[in-house]
Amino acid sequence: AQTVTQSQPEMSVQEAETVTLSCTYDTSESDYYLFWYKQPPSRQMILVIRQEAYKQQNATENRFSVNFQKAAKSFSLKISDSQLGDAAMYFCAYRSPPGGSQGNLIFGKGTKLSVKP
Amino acid sequence: DVKVTQSSRYLVKRTGEKVFLECVQDMDHENMFWYRQDPGLGLRLIYFSYDVKMKEKGDIPEGYSVSREKKERFSLILESASTNQTSMYLCATLARASGPYEQYFGPGTRLTVT
Repeated sequence: AQTVTQSQPEMSVQEAETVTLSCTYDTSESDYYLFWYKQPPSRQMILVIRQEAYKQQNATENRFSVNFQKAAKSFSLKISDSQLGDAAMYFCAYRSPPGGSQGNLIFGKGTKLSVKP
Repeated sequence: DVKVTQSSRYLVKRTGEKVFLECVQDMDHENMFWYRQDPGLGLRLIYFSYDVKMKEKGDIPEGYSVSREKKERFSLILESASTNQTSMYLCATLARASGPYEQYFGPGTRLTVT
């Protein structure tokens, strides 16, 4: 069975600086998707960034980028130029490709990110 | 935009009550999910449904049931609420805006059982 591990329950960053959130996973599949979700204090979970395992290029969305190391089964999220609005719970998630498990996500336990002004 | 709504943001129920949590999506998506979120445990899948009247157990189905009579609505039912079911409940649907399918979440229902 697949598992997702986030080893940092809490992280803190100074406004305008860069922070990296860690995520490792375990799977025997060769094709899958990885996601980072953000949950601000208002509780609406939103997708930050996704990575398809067959793509070697790391995904980037504005200030958010990932470091995807498939052999090491590592999927870290880098937030550049941190803003106060980045303060939230961040969840790493894994999904099997279409045709398997009906699109279920397997989540890590989350990392709470605080941003200091 | 994909929209997922949940009937209540906050709910307080008594032990032993039957509780219904409603989730509605507006885009005719087939797959819908119910998660429970607890501090330090992340999100855990309770049940999911891949079509009307179809359902599958997730990782923690005990004490819960679900109903999917119409494609747009997926209900989570606590047959006899207990204090250990106090939690945040999140509903999600699987949809594709661009690129691969991804899950879109509702705002969540904070349930307190006293």
